[in-house]
Amino acid sequence: NAGVTQTPKFRVLKTGQSMTLLCAQDMNHEYMYWYRQDPGMGLRLIHYSVGEGTTAKGEVPDGYNVSRLKKQNFLLGLESAAPSQTSVYFCASSRRQATDTQYFGPGTRLTVL
Amino acid sequence: KQEVTQIPAALSVPEGENLVLNCSFTDSAIYNLQWFRQDPGKGLTSLLLIQSSQREQTSGRLNASLDKSSGRSTLYIAASQPGDSATYLCAVSSTQGGSEKLVFGKGTKLTVNP
Repeated sequence: NAGVTQTPKFRVLKTGQSMTLLCAQDMNHEYMYWYRQDPGMGLRLIHYSVGEGTTAKGEVPDGYNVSRLKKQNFLLGLESAAPSQTSVYFCASSRRQATDTQYFGPGTRLTVL
Repeated sequence: KQEVTQIPAALSVPEGENLVLNCSFTDSAIYNLQWFRQDPGKGLTSLLLIQSSQREQTSGRLNASLDKSSGRSTLYIAASQPGDSATYLCAVSSTQGGSEKLVFGKGTKLTVNP
């Protein structure tokens, strides 16, 4: 039981490039989330999903898109990366509603030059 | 808008000391409060979850209390060990923008010195 996994672990992009971060969970959780963590800012919710085929905006959604085509996967896309998107990105999942314990992945460290 | 504050931002103690980490939140209409641990370069690990109807939760040397009416929670760590060194994050679950979300504090970085 791997829990929540994220791919890749590290990535360096140039401004304007695009990329997709993959999150996978093997716990059959309905809810999945993408957060970013920045020094002095704490964790902030980017987008989330309450089930397969559904997505919703969080606190800081601009510049990101997401998709949840399969229940176990949640993808985060950056269409045109900007230096302001340099951050550590965490994926999380929970069994049902957001009031359940969230389980976090190990994170992806992204640098945009 | 829910805001979560953790004080102190950093704490350094000698091994064996009992310590308390503090968390406060501005809106008492919460579903639950969670304490997480984050090791450097790692993800978050859930330590304790206190439902809004509960006053405290215990797990081993950890005890978390919740006073919803005053908007406060404390995480008590007994007989601290160097392995407890990490950043501890508090998060409250409440309705934000029409849906339930977790709002995180910025964390307390704990260092336990041998």
